[in-house]
Amino acid sequence: KAGVTQTPRYLIKTRGQQVTLSCSPISGHRSVSWYQQTPGQGLQFLFEYFSETQRNKGNFPGRFSGRQFSNSRSEMNVSTLELGDSALYLCASSLDRTHNSPLHFGNGTRLTVT
Amino acid sequence: AQSVTQLGSHVSVSEGALVLLRCNYSSSVPPYLFWYVQYPNQGLQLLLKYTSAATLVKGINGFEAEFKKSETSFHLTKPSAHMSDAAEYFCAVSDVGATNKLIFGTGTLLAVQP
Repeated sequence: KAGVTQTPRYLIKTRGQQVTLSCSPISGHRSVSWYQQTPGQGLQFLFEYFSETQRNKGNFPGRFSGRQFSNSRSEMNVSTLELGDSALYLCASSLDRTHNSPLHFGNGTRLTVT
Repeated sequence: AQSVTQLGSHVSVSEGALVLLRCNYSSSVPPYLFWYVQYPNQGLQLLLKYTSAATLVKGINGFEAEFKKSETSFHLTKPSAHMSDAAEYFCAVSDVGATNKLIFGTGTLLAVQP
């Protein structure tokens, strides 16, 4: 069974640009969550989608947005990029929203903003 | 609010020695706790989870953790370290009412000396 797939693996953008990251969950998984990992702030929750609806949102500015499609694939978008947005963005999927279904993480997209 | 604290950002052990990584939690309700491992340039892999079924939880790769309510701890142990255990380890707690919103500790980087 294929794991969580994130594309692209690496991305370099310029300040002020926008970026879209993609995540394909494990087949059959309906929940997709996004996390940001930086050396200074560690791992921080961005948002969670389930059945194409945002279910939870972390404490990030409105420049960070996401969506989920009917096939459970998800995208996140960051507009007006800032230097501080440089990070590893991790996507995780789970079967459902119970504690019996743990999160499975992808290998991440490393975004560098110059 | 839920939180976890990992004591020791760096731990070094000799190959074959006991591994002990510390995690204390703060929770207003019975917590759901997790340990994840991250190898360089990869995402997070679930080692084990505590969901109140048993206080001693066995995970993958020979790791286990014991939930101690009296000490609000969920320390990760492995009897004998292997070189392949060198990685960063994260303790996490599930947020109240938001199953897939994990709150992570700051991580412990484990080095294994030959």
